[in-house]
Amino acid sequence: EAQLVESGGDLVQPGGSLRLSCAASGFTFRFYSMVWVRQAPGKGLEWISYIGSSTTTIFYADSVKGRFSISRDNAKNSLYLQMDSLTAEDTALYYCARLQAPSAMWDVFDVWGQGTMVSVSS
Amino acid sequence: AIQLTQSPSALSASVGDRVTITCRASQGINSGLGWYQQKPGRSPKLLIYDASNLASGVPSRFSGSGSGTEFTLTISSLQPEDFATYYCQQFNGYPFIFGPGTIVDIK
Repeated sequence: EAQLVESGGDLVQPGGSLRLSCAASGFTFRFYSMVWVRQAPGKGLEWISYIGSSTTTIFYADSVKGRFSISRDNAKNSLYLQMDSLTAEDTALYYCARLQAPSAMWDVFDVWGQGTMVSVSS
Repeated sequence: AIQLTQSPSALSASVGDRVTITCRASQGINSGLGWYQQKPGRSPKLLIYDASNLASGVPSRFSGSGSGTEFTLTISSLQPEDFATYYCQQFNGYPFIFGPGTIVDIK
Protein backbone atom coordinates (compact mmCIF):
# COMPACT_ATOMS: atom_id res chain seq x y z
CA GLU A 1 0.00 0.00 0.00
CA ALA A 2 1.33 3.42 -0.96
CA GLN A 3 2.10 5.54 2.07
CA LEU A 4 3.52 9.00 2.77
CA VAL A 5 4.75 10.16 6.17
CA GLU A 6 5.66 13.79 6.78
CA SER A 7 7.96 15.05 9.52
CA GLY A 8 9.84 18.16 10.55
CA GLY A 9 7.01 20.43 11.59
CA ASP A 10 7.68 22.64 14.58
CA LEU A 11 7.11 25.99 16.27
CA VAL A 12 9.43 28.57 14.71
CA GLN A 13 9.88 32.31 15.11
CA PRO A 14 8.99 34.74 12.30
CA GLY A 15 11.89 35.00 9.87
CA GLY A 16 13.06 31.52 10.76
CA SER A 17 13.57 28.43 8.64
CA LEU A 18 12.38 24.88 8.70
CA ARG A 19 12.87 21.78 6.54
CA LEU A 20 10.03 19.33 6.11
CA SER A 21 10.51 15.75 4.97
CA CYS A 22 8.15 13.24 3.42
CA ALA A 23 9.05 9.56 3.42
CA ALA A 24 7.43 7.43 0.75
CA SER A 25 6.85 3.70 0.82
CA GLY A 26 4.78 1.05 -0.94
CA PHE A 27 5.33 2.41 -4.45
CA THR A 28 8.19 3.24 -6.84
CA PHE A 29 8.81 6.80 -5.67
CA ARG A 30 11.15 7.78 -8.52
CA PHE A 31 8.34 7.32 -11.08
CA TYR A 32 5.93 9.83 -9.52
CA SER A 33 5.63 13.58 -9.41
CA MET A 34 4.97 14.99 -5.95
CA VAL A 35 3.46 18.09 -4.38
CA TRP A 36 3.19 19.92 -1.10
CA VAL A 37 -0.22 21.19 -0.02
CA ARG A 38 -0.94 23.15 3.13
CA GLN A 39 -4.01 23.91 5.20
CA ALA A 40 -4.11 26.78 7.66
CA PRO A 41 -6.13 26.13 10.83
CA GLY A 42 -9.84 26.10 9.98
CA LYS A 43 -9.17 26.98 6.34
CA GLY A 44 -9.14 25.27 2.96
CA LEU A 45 -6.44 23.52 0.97
CA GLU A 46 -3.64 25.44 -0.77
CA TRP A 47 -1.26 23.83 -3.25
CA ILE A 48 2.23 25.30 -2.75
CA SER A 49 4.77 23.33 -4.79
CA TYR A 50 5.27 20.61 -7.42
CA ILE A 51 8.31 18.59 -8.41
CA GLY A 52 8.50 16.22 -11.34
CA SER A 53 9.69 12.66 -11.07
CA SER A 54 13.12 13.54 -12.44
CA THR A 55 13.34 16.90 -10.58
CA THR A 56 13.77 18.87 -13.80
CA THR A 57 10.37 20.54 -13.48
CA ILE A 58 9.43 22.53 -10.39
CA PHE A 59 6.58 24.95 -9.75
CA TYR A 60 5.69 27.15 -6.78
CA ALA A 61 2.62 29.07 -5.75
CA ASP A 62 3.17 32.83 -5.71
CA SER A 63 2.64 32.84 -1.94
CA VAL A 64 5.87 30.89 -1.35
CA LYS A 65 7.97 31.63 -4.43
CA GLY A 66 11.46 32.80 -3.50
CA ARG A 67 11.11 31.57 0.09
CA PHE A 68 10.39 27.86 -0.22
CA SER A 69 12.39 25.23 -2.10
CA ILE A 70 11.17 21.76 -3.02
CA SER A 71 13.55 18.86 -3.62
CA ARG A 72 13.62 15.10 -3.65
CA ASP A 73 16.07 12.24 -3.20
CA ASN A 74 14.83 9.30 -5.23
CA ALA A 75 17.49 7.04 -3.73
CA LYS A 76 16.05 7.71 -0.28
CA ASN A 77 12.39 7.75 -1.39
CA SER A 78 12.07 11.16 0.17
CA LEU A 79 10.58 14.55 -0.64
CA TYR A 80 11.62 17.76 1.06
CA LEU A 81 10.43 21.33 1.54
CA GLN A 82 12.94 23.94 2.69
CA MET A 83 11.05 26.90 4.12
CA ASP A 84 12.84 30.20 4.75
CA SER A 85 11.70 33.68 5.84
CA LEU A 86 8.65 32.20 7.54
CA THR A 87 5.76 34.42 8.55
CA ALA A 88 2.64 33.89 10.60
CA GLU A 89 0.74 33.36 7.34
CA ASP A 90 2.75 30.15 6.80
CA THR A 91 1.21 28.57 9.90
CA ALA A 92 -0.51 25.47 8.60
CA LEU A 93 -0.64 21.71 8.41
CA TYR A 94 1.65 20.70 5.56
CA TYR A 95 0.79 17.63 3.49
CA CYS A 96 2.84 15.88 0.87
CA ALA A 97 0.88 14.13 -1.86
CA ARG A 98 1.47 12.04 -4.97
CA LEU A 99 0.16 12.77 -8.44
CA GLN A 100 -1.96 9.85 -9.59
CA ALA A 101 -0.30 8.93 -12.87
CA PRO A 102 3.43 8.13 -13.13
CA SER A 103 5.48 11.07 -14.45
CA ALA A 104 2.37 13.25 -14.61
CA MET A 105 2.71 17.01 -14.79
CA TRP A 106 -1.01 17.64 -14.39
CA ASP A 107 -3.13 15.26 -12.34
CA VAL A 108 -5.09 14.77 -9.16
CA PHE A 109 -3.42 13.77 -5.90
CA ASP A 110 -4.25 10.19 -5.02
CA VAL A 111 -2.04 9.50 -1.99
CA TRP A 112 -1.70 11.93 0.91
CA GLY A 113 0.35 11.90 4.08
CA GLN A 114 -1.11 12.67 7.49
CA GLY A 115 0.47 16.13 7.58
CA THR A 116 3.02 17.88 9.76
CA MET A 117 2.19 21.08 11.64
CA VAL A 118 4.20 24.27 11.19
CA SER A 119 3.50 27.12 13.59
CA VAL A 120 5.16 30.49 13.11
CA SER A 121 4.96 32.68 16.18
CA SER A 122 7.14 34.73 18.47
CA ALA B 1 -4.71 32.29 -12.43
CA ILE B 2 -7.84 30.17 -12.68
CA GLN B 3 -10.25 30.65 -9.83
CA LEU B 4 -12.72 28.06 -8.56
CA THR B 5 -15.96 28.73 -6.75
CA GLN B 6 -18.13 26.16 -5.03
CA SER B 7 -21.79 26.29 -4.21
CA PRO B 8 -23.26 25.99 -1.76
CA SER B 9 -20.58 26.78 0.80
CA ALA B 10 -22.45 24.60 3.27
CA LEU B 11 -25.54 22.44 3.31
CA SER B 12 -27.51 20.42 5.79
CA ALA B 13 -28.90 17.11 4.64
CA SER B 14 -30.37 13.89 5.96
CA VAL B 15 -29.24 10.33 5.49
CA GLY B 16 -30.65 9.09 2.20
CA ASP B 17 -30.81 12.54 0.59
CA ARG B 18 -29.43 13.24 -2.87
CA VAL B 19 -26.77 15.93 -2.61
CA THR B 20 -25.26 17.99 -5.43
CA ILE B 21 -22.29 20.33 -5.13
CA THR B 22 -21.27 22.65 -7.97
CA CYS B 23 -17.78 23.85 -8.83
CA ARG B 24 -17.28 26.64 -11.36
CA ALA B 25 -14.00 27.63 -12.98
CA SER B 26 -13.20 31.17 -14.07
CA GLN B 27 -12.00 29.83 -17.42
CA GLY B 28 -12.29 26.55 -19.25
CA ILE B 29 -10.31 23.66 -17.82
CA ASN B 30 -11.59 20.86 -20.08
CA SER B 31 -11.97 17.85 -17.77
CA GLY B 32 -9.04 18.74 -15.55
CA LEU B 33 -10.93 18.60 -12.27
CA GLY B 34 -10.87 16.40 -9.22
CA TRP B 35 -13.02 16.12 -6.10
CA TYR B 36 -11.80 15.36 -2.58
CA GLN B 37 -13.50 14.55 0.70
CA GLN B 38 -11.98 15.67 3.99
CA LYS B 39 -13.22 14.70 7.41
CA PRO B 40 -12.17 16.61 10.56
CA GLY B 41 -8.62 15.76 11.60
CA ARG B 42 -8.06 13.63 8.50
CA SER B 43 -6.17 14.03 5.25
CA PRO B 44 -8.10 14.71 2.05
CA LYS B 45 -9.28 11.65 0.13
CA LEU B 46 -9.55 11.56 -3.65
CA LEU B 47 -13.10 10.81 -4.85
CA ILE B 48 -13.24 11.78 -8.54
CA TYR B 49 -10.60 12.43 -11.18
CA ASP B 50 -10.84 13.82 -14.71
CA ALA B 51 -14.21 15.31 -13.73
CA SER B 52 -16.19 12.10 -13.90
CA ASN B 53 -14.02 9.08 -13.08
CA LEU B 54 -14.49 7.36 -9.75
CA ALA B 55 -11.24 6.87 -7.81
CA SER B 56 -10.33 3.42 -6.64
CA GLY B 57 -12.34 2.18 -3.69
CA VAL B 58 -14.83 5.05 -3.73
CA PRO B 59 -18.49 3.98 -3.38
CA SER B 60 -20.62 4.22 -6.50
CA ARG B 61 -23.06 6.62 -4.82
CA PHE B 62 -20.48 9.31 -5.64
CA SER B 63 -20.42 10.62 -9.19
CA GLY B 64 -18.96 13.58 -11.02
CA SER B 65 -19.90 15.35 -14.21
CA GLY B 66 -19.13 18.42 -16.27
CA SER B 67 -16.44 19.90 -18.42
CA GLY B 68 -15.18 23.33 -19.34
CA THR B 69 -16.26 25.67 -16.56
CA GLU B 70 -19.06 23.92 -14.67
CA PHE B 71 -18.78 20.69 -12.73
CA THR B 72 -20.90 18.80 -10.23
CA LEU B 73 -20.31 16.23 -7.53
CA THR B 74 -23.38 14.17 -6.68
CA ILE B 75 -23.95 11.85 -3.77
CA SER B 76 -26.98 9.79 -4.75
CA SER B 77 -27.96 8.67 -1.25
CA LEU B 78 -26.12 10.34 1.60
CA GLN B 79 -24.68 8.00 4.19
CA PRO B 80 -23.59 8.82 7.77
CA GLU B 81 -19.92 8.56 6.80
CA ASP B 82 -20.36 11.15 4.02
CA PHE B 83 -20.69 14.11 6.36
CA ALA B 84 -17.51 16.00 5.58
CA THR B 85 -16.05 18.90 3.62
CA TYR B 86 -15.73 18.51 -0.15
CA TYR B 87 -13.19 20.32 -2.31
CA CYS B 88 -12.83 20.58 -6.06
CA GLN B 89 -9.37 21.07 -7.57
CA GLN B 90 -8.29 22.04 -11.07
CA PHE B 91 -5.20 20.53 -12.68
CA ASN B 92 -5.48 21.94 -16.18
CA GLY B 93 -2.42 24.12 -15.56
CA TYR B 94 -0.34 25.72 -12.84
CA PRO B 95 -0.97 26.94 -10.26
CA PHE B 96 -3.14 24.09 -9.08
CA ILE B 97 -6.14 25.62 -7.36
CA PHE B 98 -8.59 24.18 -4.87
CA GLY B 99 -12.12 25.42 -4.45
CA PRO B 100 -13.06 26.93 -1.07
CA GLY B 101 -14.90 23.81 0.04
CA THR B 102 -18.47 22.74 0.77
CA ILE B 103 -19.38 21.56 4.24
CA VAL B 104 -21.99 18.80 4.29
CA ASP B 105 -23.47 18.39 7.75
CA ILE B 106 -26.35 16.59 9.36
CA LYS B 107 -29.79 18.17 9.26
